[in-house]
Amino acid sequence: KQEVTQIPAALSVPEGENLVLNCSFTDSAIYNLQWFRQDPGKGLTSLLLIQSSQREQTSGRLNASLDKSSGRSTLYIAASQPGDSATYLCAFSYGSGNTGKLIFGQGTTLQVKP
Amino acid sequence: DAGITQSPRHKVTETGTPVTLRCHQTENHRYMYWYRQDPGHGLRLIHYSYGVKDTDKGEVSDGYSVSRSKTEDFLLTLESATSSQTSVYFCAISDRSAGNTIYFGEGSWLTVV
Repeated sequence: KQEVTQIPAALSVPEGENLVLNCSFTDSAIYNLQWFRQDPGKGLTSLLLIQSSQREQTSGRLNASLDKSSGRSTLYIAASQPGDSATYLCAFSYGSGNTGKLIFGQGTTLQVKP
Repeated sequence: DAGITQSPRHKVTETGTPVTLRCHQTENHRYMYWYRQDPGHGLRLIHYSYGVKDTDKGEVSDGYSVSRSKTEDFLLTLESATSSQTSVYFCAISDRSAGNTIYFGEGSWLTVV
């Protein structure tokens, strides 16, 4: 059974810090992975999608990497802001024809203090 | 915004009553999904659809049924609601034009008392 682990479960940093969120998986036969953001009481917002053939994707202050050989993905947030406070979830798809069958991690709850 | 609308957004119902949640999309996506989110369990797939009248089970499908009679609507039904089905339910679509990026709706909060 595929398992996805996110470390740390919670993180509190001062504004302006660069930070890394980690996501590990047990089965390297992934199709793609996505990083999502979830604000309290809200739905999930897609941040970045990395196909299995890619190593990383960037969007603004966010950079996500994928290392299939080590079973790891990281989300790098540069120059963190209080508005970045949220829960960040990684999820993997294992089916090329049905990429919405996702296995989710438990999430990392981030607090950025002004 | 992937044009996903869920209804109702909040509902309180009694044990044993039927409940239907609706997911509506406006962009003709083929794949649609229903997930539930619970503390300690995270997000888990209930059912999904890969076309009109084409559906299949996910990880936690017991006690749920789905229907898709039109491309734009995917319905999730709890035939006889139980307290264990108190949860937040999310609909999602797979956007093929965006590299199969998965987009989620805003969620439906269901409480079974």
